[in-house]
Amino acid sequence: AQRVTQPEKLLSVFKGAPVELKCNYSYSGSPELFWYVQYSRQRLQLLLRHISRESIKGFTADLNKGETSFHLKKPFAQEEDSAMYYCALARDDKIIFGKGTRLHILP
Amino acid sequence: DAGVTQSPTHLIKTRGQQVTLRCSPKSGHDTVSWYQQALGQGPQFIFQYYEEEERQRGNFPDRFSGHQFPNYSSELNVNALLLGDSALYLCASSLLTFSGNTIYFGEGSWLTVV
Repeated sequence: AQRVTQPEKLLSVFKGAPVELKCNYSYSGSPELFWYVQYSRQRLQLLLRHISRESIKGFTADLNKGETSFHLKKPFAQEEDSAMYYCALARDDKIIFGKGTRLHILP
Repeated sequence: DAGVTQSPTHLIKTRGQQVTLRCSPKSGHDTVSWYQQALGQGPQFIFQYYEEEERQRGNFPDRFSGHQFPNYSSELNVNALLLGDSALYLCASSLLTFSGNTIYFGEGSWLTVV
């Protein structure tokens, strides 16, 4: 069965320090993977997808098929990065989400 | 373009009652999907509507039903409410053959069952 695992419920990082949010997936085919972000009191929005390989707000994520991972990284955390982050996998036109990681940037 | 709009934003219901949530998709989108997000969890797929028919369904009981209208708007109905149905209900709109960057979420409807 397809599954997305985010092992950390909460990640606290000091401002200016590097950030890595972990995501592992299980999927038998070629996965289409995403990261979604939800800022406080705002709607869920797409942060990035692995196909585009672009950097949004300084975040990047590389698909590692050997390790079935799609970790989200940013070299220098900013206070405005505090939010809930969801790793997700698309299959049959629906999205399967992980449970999410709350990123808390410490001043 | 208002994007995906949902109503109501918050509501409180009693166990056993029925609830209807509404969604208007983003202009130009023909497919509406509903997700349930319980506290501390990621969104879970309920079902998807296209051309006024349920196209696919997640692992939710028949108490959860929906409808899509000719203008592509949609309703989610939940009968015989349980305490465990308390959650944020998200509507997402897209084109049928979407890529991830063409799916848009509404702000959600917070349902509390007491």
